[in-house]
This record gives sequence, C-alpha cells and structure tokens, in this order.
Amino acid sequence: GENVEQHPSTLSVQEGDSAVIKCTYSDSASNYFPWYKQELGKRPQLIIDIRSNVGEKKDQRIAVTLNKTAKHFSLHITETQPEDSAVYFCAATTNTDKLIFGTGTRLQVFP
Amino acid sequence: DSGVTQTPKHLITATGQRVTLRCSPRSGDLSVYWYQQSLDQGLQFLIQYYNGEERAKGNILERFSAQQFPDLHSELNLSSLELGDSALYFCASSGNTNTEAFFGQGTRLTVV
Repeated sequence: GENVEQHPSTLSVQEGDSAVIKCTYSDSASNYFPWYKQELGKRPQLIIDIRSNVGEKKDQRIAVTLNKTAKHFSLHITETQPEDSAVYFCAATTNTDKLIFGTGTRLQVFP
Repeated sequence: DSGVTQTPKHLITATGQRVTLRCSPRSGDLSVYWYQQSLDQGLQFLIQYYNGEERAKGNILERFSAQQFPDLHSELNLSSLELGDSALYFCASSGNTNTEAFFGQGTRLTVV
C-alpha cells in the first residue's frame, strides 16, 4: 500500500546539536517530498521540499537528502535552537496523486 | 496567513449529528486536500479534489463526503457523528500535486 514511515517518534537534543529525522516511502513513483513543521496548536507549515531529480537540498540550517534507490529521505537540522522545538512531518506524493504524511517526530531542543 | 480559510474554527456537536466544514483555497490554487488530525496524532489523508473533480481518496469513512464547487471552495460533510470523530480537520490547497500545499488553520470538531 501507499505509506510513509517516519522515525524517531520523539527526539530530544541539546541546543546547538544536530537533529536527524528519517522517512521511508513505499511508492516508487513518488516524486515530491515535502517536510512540514507544526508548532503546538498551529497549522503545518512547509520548511523544505525536494523533488526526485535532486539528491540533496539545503536552506540555511536545514537540509534534506533523498535516496531514491532505497526510498529513503531525511531531514537534517544543524545548530538546533529552542524555537526548533515542534512536530515535524515528512510527506510524499504517490502515483495516485495523494500527499501522504508520516506519523510525525516531536523534536525537543533543550537550552 | 497561508491564504487558506477554514470555517468554522471550532464546532461542538452531539453524537448522531451532521456538520459541514468549509474551506476556501488560496487564490489560483486548483487542488484541495482534506486531512484529519486526532489528538497528538499524525495527518490522515481523507480526500483530494482538483478543479472540481475528485482526484484521490484516502481512508475516508462512508459517513464522510466532500465536494469542490465551481468557485473552487470545498466542503467536508461529516454525518452520524461519533465521539471518535472528534479531531482537528485541516484543509490544504496547492497549485498542483507536486507543489507546496498550504494549510488552513483547521476546524476543531468536538463531538459530545
């Protein structure tokens, strides 16, 4: 079936450390992989996305890598700050045009 | 402000009732997605419309239905409500399938 697995479900890091969240998708036809950040009580907001013709994309402290062969993609946050604390969702489009989300990772950054 | 408007923001209703949630997409966006987010859970895909036509369907219950109108706004109808339907319902819109989806602020439904 079409699904996206996301790990870990919770992640605690010290301020300044790096955080890595990993996702695996099942549909080999998936070609768009966004990452969303959802703060408590707020809407999910896109923080970075990558398409299947690109292996890596970086935006300041955030980077995403994609391994199409293994059907893995990962979010990397460097120099974490307390305001990075939130729930992060990965997602993937499917060949039936669904945008399927992972189960989310609750990131806590301790000062 | 994402440009996606959902109404109402909060809704409290009794079991067995029917409600309609409304979503106005960003200007120019043709795709509308509906998601259900239960307490501390992920975003469950319900259904997607593109330019008035149903494009993709997720694990949407038969008690739930949706449509997208000619002016591109969408409505999600939930009937025979159960306590377990209590959740945050998000609408998102995008210009196309493989572009950024912008989320509305959600409708918090409480079934009592």
